[in-house]
Amino acid sequence: GDSVTQMEGPVTLSEEAFLTINCTYTATGYPSLFWYVQYPGEGLQLLLKATKADDKGSNKGFEATYRKETTSFHLEKGSVQVSDSAVYFCALSDSNTNAGKSTFGDGTTLTVKP
Amino acid sequence: KAGVTQTPRYLIKTRGQQVTLSCSPISGHRSVSWYQQTPGQGLQFLFEYFSETQRNKGNFPGRFSGRQFSNSRSEMNVSTLELGDSALYLCASSLPRGGGYEQYFGPGTRLTVT
Repeated sequence: GDSVTQMEGPVTLSEEAFLTINCTYTATGYPSLFWYVQYPGEGLQLLLKATKADDKGSNKGFEATYRKETTSFHLEKGSVQVSDSAVYFCALSDSNTNAGKSTFGDGTTLTVKP
Repeated sequence: KAGVTQTPRYLIKTRGQQVTLSCSPISGHRSVSWYQQTPGQGLQFLFEYFSETQRNKGNFPGRFSGRQFSNSRSEMNVSTLELGDSALYLCASSLPRGGGYEQYFGPGTRLTVT
């Protein structure tokens, strides 16, 4: 079945540091890939997405590129802020075989210190 | 547009009881999915409803059930509650279209079973 593997956390960075959170996936079909963010006490919010190979999703300074050859979708940000502290989830959705079902990684907790 | 709403936000129940959670999707969204989030198991897919039909189901026992109404609102029911059912239950709605299922999450219902 489908699966998503994220780098283990937690991750602690100083403000303005560079962020990378690794994500690799296994899928039987040709999935769409997503990064979601969850702030304390809230549900998940879509951060960015990519629907085909070599697509780059970007939002709020975060970027991730769909790499089919390495089955990866790593999240990056050039300069993190304290407000980026949250839990980040990589996810995939294969609309052809599992409509409406997303498979999530375990989440990576990011703490940014001033 | 109003986001996904879930009621109630918090619930405390006793083992053996049953519980019903409600989810109202974003207007126009016809797909509603339910997830269970726990610290140990992460985000696990429960089921998805589309146009009042269950279209996908995760690996949960039959005590977990759901339904969707003609206005796309959805409910999930858990019968004979167990301590292990304590979790954050998240509902997500989506507007299925080519390119994957980008999901919009509600704030969740925090269920505590004592």
